[in-house]
Amino acid sequence: ELKVEQNPLFLSMQEGKNYTIYCNYSTTSDRLYWYRQDPGKSLESLFVLLSNGAVKQEGRLMASLDTKARLSTLHITAAVHDLSATYFCAVDTGSNYKLTFGKGTLLTVNP
Amino acid sequence: KAGVTQTPRYLIKTRGQQVTLSCSPISGHRSVSWYQQTPGQGLQFLFEYFSETQRNKGNFPGRFSGRQFSNSRSEMNVSTLELGDSALYLCASSRPVPGGSQYFGPGTRLTVL
Repeated sequence: ELKVEQNPLFLSMQEGKNYTIYCNYSTTSDRLYWYRQDPGKSLESLFVLLSNGAVKQEGRLMASLDTKARLSTLHITAAVHDLSATYFCAVDTGSNYKLTFGKGTLLTVNP
Repeated sequence: KAGVTQTPRYLIKTRGQQVTLSCSPISGHRSVSWYQQTPGQGLQFLFEYFSETQRNKGNFPGRFSGRQFSNSRSEMNVSTLELGDSALYLCASSRPVPGGSQYFGPGTRLTVL
C-alpha cells in the first residue's frame, strides 16, 4: 500500500524566512503533485513533477523531485503572509488518476 | 474557461438517508475523480471515471457508488448514510494526457445528523 508522509505537519514561520516542506512516498511513482488549500476552500494545483530531478518554481515556491530517494520538497523563500495555507503533496502511481495524499502541512506565516 | 462545478455546495441529511452529489468537469476533461476529505482521515480517493467507465475504486464500502454520463458529468451516491460520512466531497477533473494535473471543484460539504 502506498504511503505518503509529509513533514512537518505544522509550520509557523516569520515573514521573510525560508523553509522546506518534505514529502516522502513509499513506492515508485510516475507523478507527484503539490496542492494548496485555503480554509474552507478547495484544492489549488501548484506543481506537477514528472521526472527525477524535476524542479519547478512559481513565485516564492519551488518544488523538486528525487525519485530515487522517493522524496519531494517544497521550498518557501522569503515567506509572506499570503502563503499561509495547508499544502498537500500527492502521488499518482499511474493508476489512472488515483492520487494518494499526504496529511498536509499547515503553514502559518506571521508578520 | 469555467472550472469544475459541484452541486449542491452544502447538504444536511440524517442517518439512514441517501444522497446524490453532482460534478461537472472542465470542458474537454473526460476523467473525473472523487475524493472524501475529513479532519481525521484526510483526503481519500473514492473512485475515478473515464468515458463512463469506472477505472479505479478506493477502499470505501459499497454504499458509495458513482457514475459518469456521456457528457462527462459525474454523480456519486451514498446510501444509508452514517455519521462518519460527514465530510467535504471533492470532485476533480483532468485531461488524460501525461503530466496533466487534476483540477478540483469547490466541494460539497455533507453533514449527517
